[in-house]
Amino acid sequence: QLQLQESGPGLVKPSETLSLTCSISGYSISSGYYWGWIRQPPGKGLEWIGSIYHSGSTYYNPSLKSRVTISVDTSKNQFSLKLSSVTAADTAVYHCAASYYPKDKFDYWGQGTLVTVSS
Amino acid sequence: EIVLTQSPGTPSLSPGERATLSCRASQSVSSNYLAWYQHKPGQAPRLLIYAASSRPTGIPDRFSGSGSGTDFTLTISRLEPEDFAVYFCQQYGSSPLTFGGGTKVEIK
Repeated sequence: QLQLQESGPGLVKPSETLSLTCSISGYSISSGYYWGWIRQPPGKGLEWIGSIYHSGSTYYNPSLKSRVTISVDTSKNQFSLKLSSVTAADTAVYHCAASYYPKDKFDYWGQGTLVTVSS
Repeated sequence: EIVLTQSPGTPSLSPGERATLSCRASQSVSSNYLAWYQHKPGQAPRLLIYAASSRPTGIPDRFSGSGSGTDFTLTISRLEPEDFAVYFCQQYGSSPLTFGGGTKVEIK
């Protein structure tokens, strides 16, 4: 059974870069699926950040594209998110997830990790 | 981008009752590519319905989806205690992918 687990710092200072990793178990990152990041600010709805294929092809939400980098590490069966120049508005629970196509429903999700942006 | 608006806000229902949740899109969802998820605190969201009305393997048949175009509905025919949770919709017919704000189904 494919499982996803997010990890990374829970506190990031304003203007710095948020970095998170999603570890995949029970499935090879290179076997298929697009690997995505989704976030939910406190009291707000979910926002798709972007997705990546194991080949490195990326798809980003235009609203965040200028600050987002998603990458894969096939040797570690992981993929990562970097969000630069963060502000308090980037405080959210960040989920990693898997979809079969770049524009698709998400079949698998991680439970999410809270990242707070504060000095 | 397509904005998804969910209603009602926080229905209070009893086990055994029927829950009807709405998801309205600001424009037509291509190919009715609309999904519903269940989310409980501290857990990973679970896919309940895709393509507006299809259920993945393992999802109980008390969960059903309907609708097309801009208006979609998730129905839980008889609420079980484990069904009290947040439900949100997602459209994947056009980019960027977007989600509704969620509906929390509370126990009366």
